[in-house]
Amino acid sequence: DAGITQSPRHKVTETGTPVTLRCHQTENHRYMYWYRQDPGHGLRLIHYSYGVKDTDKGEVSDGYSVSRSKTEDFLLTLESATSSQTSVYFCAISPLAHQETQYFGPGTRLLVL
Amino acid sequence: GIQVEQSPPDLILQEGANSTLRCNFSDSVNNLQWFHQNPWGQLINLFYIPSGTKQNGRLSATTVATERYSLLYISSSQTTDSGVYFCAVEDDYKLSFGAGTTVTVRA
Repeated sequence: DAGITQSPRHKVTETGTPVTLRCHQTENHRYMYWYRQDPGHGLRLIHYSYGVKDTDKGEVSDGYSVSRSKTEDFLLTLESATSSQTSVYFCAISPLAHQETQYFGPGTRLLVL
Repeated sequence: GIQVEQSPPDLILQEGANSTLRCNFSDSVNNLQWFHQNPWGQLINLFYIPSGTKQNGRLSATTVATERYSLLYISSSQTTDSGVYFCAVEDDYKLSFGAGTTVTVRA
């Protein structure tokens, strides 16, 4: 298994509070991604990173920000959590530009009350 | 962006049966992948298959890029094959996922 961990694995928070999710990899892969998974939608890309301090938006980036200060860590922040951000969040990594192989972390279940 | 449609949405199989899952996409792609999400939520990459045919044990996949579809075959299904199967295509350097096919294999 690719060395990807996510923390926390479960979180319950209240509307309006900030939340930060962490993705940590030990593979030294260049590309890192944050997805959310909701029933009926498959996985949707929130943000991705193609290098340290290099990030770009995905299809559902509103309300989220990311940071990557070192290769191994990619942080996803919900500045002010809303109930619509209740979801399962997956981090993924890939060594190659065209995503030939993408490895996923175990996911974080977030409940916003 | 590219639209990805998977069918059927749900599939119930008796152990030992064979099945075919389909993925249609709306534009030409350089990258197509199949993933399996097990009942515990873990996502595993099954195939990278932008064109042609590949096999891995009881699973095989075929992509006909010119006709914009891909098929995933499960032969002699086992209960461990249960879960959700996702097709994903590259769209402007990012993966776009279909909604998935939920497979339940009964003993």
